[in-house]
Amino acid sequence: NAGVMQNPRHLVRRRGQEARLRCSPMKGHSHVYWYRQLPEEGLKFMVYLQKENIIDESGMPKERFSAEFPKEGPSILRIQQVVRGDSAAYFCASSSQGAKTTEAFFGQGTRLTVV
Amino acid sequence: AQRVTQPEKLLSVFKGAPVELKCNYSYSGSPELFWYVQYSRQRLQLLLRHISRESIKGFTADLNKGETSFHLKKPFAQEEDSAMYYCALSGGQGGSEKLVFGKGTKLTVNP
Repeated sequence: NAGVMQNPRHLVRRRGQEARLRCSPMKGHSHVYWYRQLPEEGLKFMVYLQKENIIDESGMPKERFSAEFPKEGPSILRIQQVVRGDSAAYFCASSSQGAKTTEAFFGQGTRLTVV
Repeated sequence: AQRVTQPEKLLSVFKGAPVELKCNYSYSGSPELFWYVQYSRQRLQLLLRHISRESIKGFTADLNKGETSFHLKKPFAQEEDSAMYYCALSGGQGGSEKLVFGKGTKLTVNP
């Protein structure tokens, strides 16, 4: 089991472009979480998804950000019209059940830089 | 509001010395508490959770509901313990599945 795979590891985008971050959960995991880490800060929860459903998006900015976890394929975090403030490390985690019940396994993150 | 506070950004000890990483939380209910660790160039991983009441790599953490704390302790630090440590909580039974993290403490164990 390769663990949670995120790609790309590093992504550079110009202001106004779109960023797509991918997360392939561990085999057998149907719960996916996205977190954002700004410099000098802890991980901030963004969204929690189960297959094809958004369960909790209380941490997602209201505009420009969206997430999906289709029946087939990886989970995608999409940021439209990126701004410099979106520069951060974005981490994905997966678990077989909810994170408070079973261990959540983290990916290595995608470092987004907006220039 | 759910909040996790790790008051020490940096902590430095010598090998063999005791170490305590502090964590305080704010939550209206009965949360579940976790410690996650990130070693250099590795991904974040679970170290321990309060409900399992186990010792991992010599580390223990006791949930003190009166003081709303979940401090991480090890009696004799080793150089390989040097890492970033994050305290986190989730909503407990019936509560949210999301993890709320503190800002982390960077532990350095000197030889």
